[in-house]
Amino acid sequence: DTGVSQDPRHKITKRGQNVTFRCDPISEHNRLYWYRQTLGQGPEFLTYFQNEAQLEKSRLLSDRFSAERPKGSFSTLEIQRTEQGDSAMYLCASSLLQTLIGSVSGGLFEPEAFFGQGTRLTVV
Amino acid sequence: GENVEQHPSTLSVQEGDSAVIKCTYSDSASNYFPWYKQELGKRPQLIIDIRSNVGEKKDQRIAVTLNKTAKHFSLHITETQPEDSAVYFCAAKNSGGSNYKLTFGKGTLLTVNP
Repeated sequence: DTGVSQDPRHKITKRGQNVTFRCDPISEHNRLYWYRQTLGQGPEFLTYFQNEAQLEKSRLLSDRFSAERPKGSFSTLEIQRTEQGDSAMYLCASSLLQTLIGSVSGGLFEPEAFFGQGTRLTVV
Repeated sequence: GENVEQHPSTLSVQEGDSAVIKCTYSDSASNYFPWYKQELGKRPQLIIDIRSNVGEKKDQRIAVTLNKTAKHFSLHITETQPEDSAVYFCAAKNSGGSNYKLTFGKGTLLTVNP
């Protein structure tokens, strides 16, 4: 499978424990996103990377959350001191930001983002 | 920031009928509008998208229309089949701008009855 892969698929943890999820994007993709999806809702943006740089974090991402993409390839999302409200599906997506050929203004173009299957976290 | 509203939240149709899902967005700078289909327990998958330089796009039984003035876009599925049953999400983004993230609607649960 050459798509976005996430590991683990499911995680059950006790409140207060730390958890770490991994995302492997499509290999040539330079943008990587983390989203959180709760039951009956659409995915909500958490953070994103361009190559190894984390360029934005949502207000949803409390101090207990940290994400890394050390070599611009895979990414990890860690949640410290988990709470029951952290229970959700954590989705990773990747895309390729491209420079438009012939663009005199340095125009950028980003085609669609591809999602991984997600990590379902249950905090008990 | 961007806000995307999606209606209806649930939609039930008979096989062979058409289904229409509507979304509105708030940020006039948004220029990319994808639609994702998510089956239970699976990843969201892009089914069709439209950019603001066109008003309509069609791919077999699926079409999307965009009204930039009114800031709304719609998904149309014709000749629905039971396998179309899923949750559908619309989203909006300023592709190529500083608003890099997709903002999603809350989803529409489509049920196609055989």
